[in-house]
Amino acid sequence: AQKVTQAQTEISVVEKEDVTLDCVYETRDTTYYLFWYKQPPSGELVFLIRRNSFDEQNEISGRYSWNFQKSTSSFNFTITASQVVDSAVYFCALSVMSGGTSYGKLTFGQGTILTVHP
Amino acid sequence: EPEVTQTPSHQVTQMGQEVILRCVPISNHLYFYWYRQILGQKVEFLVSFYNNEISEKSEIFDDQFSVERPDGSNFTLKIRSTKLEDSAMYFCASRDPGQGNQPQHFGDGTRLSIL
Repeated sequence: AQKVTQAQTEISVVEKEDVTLDCVYETRDTTYYLFWYKQPPSGELVFLIRRNSFDEQNEISGRYSWNFQKSTSSFNFTITASQVVDSAVYFCALSVMSGGTSYGKLTFGQGTILTVHP
Repeated sequence: EPEVTQTPSHQVTQMGQEVILRCVPISNHLYFYWYRQILGQKVEFLVSFYNNEISEKSEIFDDQFSVERPDGSNFTLKIRSTKLEDSAMYFCASRDPGQGNQPQHFGDGTRLSIL
């Protein structure tokens, strides 16, 4: 069975601070995908990034960066110079490839509520 | 950019009544999903649908639930006899059949309130 843990329930920062959201996952599958989704106050789920288990290259996209470390089963997400519009719930999610096929079920973490104050 | 659309945005139903939630996935996507999110909690997988049949379902998806793709565009979730604990936000998602696990694209959700 798969499990995703986001230990930080809520984080509160002041605008322009950097913030890192932690995600730890568990799976016995060797091929899997990790995702981050953002859920703003309006409620929709917005896809941010996907990483597969063979791609440990970390990425920077504008103010966002991701740190994938297979050795510690972590897939952390950093927002640099946070803005009020970044306030949302952020979900980490895991999907496995079982036996070479997958229907793509996502297992979500509990989510981290990020509040950025002006 | 193509998107997943869900209707209605909010559904209020009496306990015991049947409810149908509707979704129009992105047109070239072949994998379809329903998830639910009880207020303040995490998003939970309900069911996946591929090639006109259920490919996987969770323990939540019991006999009271069913899904259907009645035509080439709609994907519906039916709850036969609603219970108070079915109150939640229900999300439909779809994904491209491309290589690897393409990201799922979610609709804006239907908020289901059972009275």
